[in-house]
Amino acid sequence: KNQVEQSPQSLIILEGKNCTLQCNYTVSPFSNLRWYKQDTGRGPVSLTIMTFSENTKSNGRYTATLDADTKQSSLHITASQLSDSASYICVVQSSGTYKYIFGTGTRLKVLA
Amino acid sequence: EPEVTQTPSHQVTQMGQEVILRCVPISNHLYFYWYRQILGQKVEFLVSFYNNEISEKSEIFDDQFSVERPDGSNFTLKIRSTKLEDSAMYFCASSEGQEVDYGYTFGSGTRLTVV
Repeated sequence: KNQVEQSPQSLIILEGKNCTLQCNYTVSPFSNLRWYKQDTGRGPVSLTIMTFSENTKSNGRYTATLDADTKQSSLHITASQLSDSASYICVVQSSGTYKYIFGTGTRLKVLA
Repeated sequence: EPEVTQTPSHQVTQMGQEVILRCVPISNHLYFYWYRQILGQKVEFLVSFYNNEISEKSEIFDDQFSVERPDGSNFTLKIRSTKLEDSAMYFCASSEGQEVDYGYTFGSGTRLTVV
């Protein structure tokens, strides 16, 4: 069954610190993997998109990695800010389908 | 920046009633989607819509659900006879194309509460 699992479920860090969020997936055939940020009560907003051939993609303080062999991805956030407090969701799309398969997300809280 | 607009932001309805959730996708987008997120759970795909017809739907999208693009700008999700378990946040999304570079733009969602 196509699944996307994320860890940790939640994370608390101090402002200015770095953190790394993990994603494992079993989606096949694989097309692409996206990381989204979702603020409470809002729709998800895309951070990065990676295809099979890409293993790193950066967007400002966000850096995503992809290992298509082990079916793992990570999202690294550098120099965290209070506004980074949100849920971070790993989303995988399978080839030949319109739908995205969402992970359960990691709820990040950045404290001053 | 262009936005996907959803109305209402919150709707409360009695079990068994029909509800229509409304979305205005980004104007040059051609693909439209509905997703839902039950409180505390992951976002789930409901349906995709292209060229005035459903292109894909999930097992959740049964005969109680329907979608329509009635006037070229709105995209609606209708739930014919709501059940308690339909309570969720419903997200509309649109995209310009299907290639990988064309990501979705999501709306802010409609929180549906069935009582």
